[in-house]
Amino acid sequence: EVQLVQSGAEVKKPGESLKISCYASGYSFPTYWLGWVRQMPGKGLEWMGFIYPSDSDTRYSPSFQGQVIISADKSINTAYLQWTSLKATDTAMYYCARRDRDRHYIDVWGRGTAVTVSP
Amino acid sequence: SHELAQPPSVSVFLGQTARITCSGDALSTQYAYWYQQRPGQAPVAVIFKNNERPSGIPERFSGADSGSTATLIINGVQAEDEADYYCQSPDATGTYRVFGGGTKLTVL
Repeated sequence: EVQLVQSGAEVKKPGESLKISCYASGYSFPTYWLGWVRQMPGKGLEWMGFIYPSDSDTRYSPSFQGQVIISADKSINTAYLQWTSLKATDTAMYYCARRDRDRHYIDVWGRGTAVTVSP
Repeated sequence: SHELAQPPSVSVFLGQTARITCSGDALSTQYAYWYQQRPGQAPVAVIFKNNERPSGIPERFSGADSGSTATLIINGVQAEDEADYYCQSPDATGTYRVFGGGTKLTVL
């Protein structure tokens, strides 16, 4: 079974760093684009960026370029989303999502990681 | 920058046809994708490449495109179709992706 298992909820303070993870199983991790999607409380979906683990080619939405770092370790089938200095506005649910190789839609979603940033 | 515009809400009577539009310049050259999100759940794709259905999605879901506007069509709306719907497409160069603001579908 294809699965994306995300790390657990986080509560952090402004200015702190954070790295959340997404472990993939049941498919060839290096050969599928894997992305991150933000959903702020009560708001819509925002595409942040995605990575091709085979060569670490990474594409960011202009809105998130320079704000987060997306990475992957293909030796352990895991992708990451990282912040160096969190803000209160980073409070959101973050989904990792696999893009189907041929049809290019997101066919597998993680359950989401809730991040709360509060003083 | 690449943006996609959706109506915030659409209401339709049970059994009627719902149409949700998505407008953006990039749609004239790029495919549209549609996702359904029920409260507290992760999204699910209902249409890809403008008008194709992933396996397991009911036939009442279809898509259309015309110029810079894509439309999600739900024929014979069911109560379980009440959800938020998001369109998505690549930007004109295909470098990154954008979601529309989402449309809340209410079934009356």
